[in-house]
Amino acid sequence: KQEVTQIPAALSVPEGENLVLNCSFTDSAIYNLQWFRQDPGKGLTSLLLIQSSQREQTSGRLNASLDKSSGRSTLYIAASQPGDSATYLCAVRAGRLQGGSEKLVFGKGTKLTVNP
Amino acid sequence: GAVVSQHPSWVICKSGTSVKIECRSLDFQATTMFWYRQFPKQSLMLMATSNEGSKATYEQGVEKDKFLINHASLTLSTLTVTSAHPEDSSFYICSASPLAGVTDTQYFGPGTRLTVL
Repeated sequence: KQEVTQIPAALSVPEGENLVLNCSFTDSAIYNLQWFRQDPGKGLTSLLLIQSSQREQTSGRLNASLDKSSGRSTLYIAASQPGDSATYLCAVRAGRLQGGSEKLVFGKGTKLTVNP
Repeated sequence: GAVVSQHPSWVICKSGTSVKIECRSLDFQATTMFWYRQFPKQSLMLMATSNEGSKATYEQGVEKDKFLINHASLTLSTLTVTSAHPEDSSFYICSASPLAGVTDTQYFGPGTRLTVL
């Protein structure tokens, strides 16, 4: 059974700092890994998607890496801003349901607070 | 971009009553819709996957007779929590995929906060 763990559970940093969020998964046989952002009481916004054949993806100040063999991914946020404050979720696409769809397995998230 | 809405955004009900939550894809047709549940400080857990016009596929441990899912059209899926109890209080989030079973194109709704008294 695939399990996803995110460390730390919470992180508080001053504005402008670079930071790294960690995600690990137990079954390396994944199809892809995705990082999401969730604001309080809101749905999810997809940030970055890394296919299993890729090692990293970049979007603006965000960079996500994937080491499939070791079951790890990191999300690097450069020059953090107060608007980056949210919960960041890591999810892996694992297995196949009947009909060929694959479900997402989520970690519990890292709650990030960027202080002005 | 693809937008998914949920209604209501929050609901409070008495124990024993039933609650219906709607999930709509506003600008695309959703072949597949997913329902998730998120307890405080816990991860999103997939409850069920539904394809338009067919019965939903429930995850292990999710009672299909308690959580009724209907996906009668390509833009609407509903989740009905029957005989709700306080332990059903949670944040329910739906997502929709415009392609059959391709989860890397899931678009998530804003969620519905259910509180059962």
